[in-house]
Amino acid sequence: ETGVTQTPRHLVMGMTNKKSLKCEQHLGHNAMYWYKQSAKKPLELMFVYNFKEQTENNSVPSRFSPECPNSSHLFLHLHTLQPEDSALYLCASSQDIPAGYYEQYFGPGTRLTVT
Amino acid sequence: AQSVAQPEDQVNVAEGNPLTVKCTYSVSGNPYLFWYVQYPNRGLQFLLKYITGDNLVKGSYGFEAEFNKSQTSFHLKKPSALVSDSALYFCAVRPDSNYQLIWGAGTKLIIKP
Repeated sequence: ETGVTQTPRHLVMGMTNKKSLKCEQHLGHNAMYWYKQSAKKPLELMFVYNFKEQTENNSVPSRFSPECPNSSHLFLHLHTLQPEDSALYLCASSQDIPAGYYEQYFGPGTRLTVT
Repeated sequence: AQSVAQPEDQVNVAEGNPLTVKCTYSVSGNPYLFWYVQYPNRGLQFLLKYITGDNLVKGSYGFEAEFNKSQTSFHLKKPSALVSDSALYFCAVRPDSNYQLIWGAGTKLIIKP
């Protein structure tokens, strides 16, 4: 257990559905991240929050909408996804961002399949 | 463009033999360097990092990595491989000009009994 939980672990959704991914960290960290992991590709950073404020949006399509109500919780709202959005979505947290040398702690991921 | 390369998609090692997983990078300045491991159906786990100081850093599960500034490399090593080391290994680099990590594509390590 890394102290970062994600639900659901698996999700199958149609292109017209709306769903949300949830992440919770119990480590007292101030920064949280959403990554997309596709096979044999580098992790793609999607969103970054530091002290609940979004600090990065890496040109992610608007069909992905993040929400960070507090430093412990992070959501990723999904709507009208495309089949190419099928991937493993990972949440991570770290103590801080500006220092740069803190490692990230990852949740187990949500395996998303878009049909 | 800044990048991280893991030149081997897969590395096969016999149990008990030493292992090396390679990582080279192309970033400006003095980066921070990280290794993570991903076991099947799990998220990534932090193994070790280089920030400054001694070029040889030791991490979890008996792994170590050597920072070589002139070769811009940060290879992961272990003296004696275990079957349980079989997993996907990722190298990541944080340039000193940007807080975002640049990730390699991963190397699948297979340890055969």
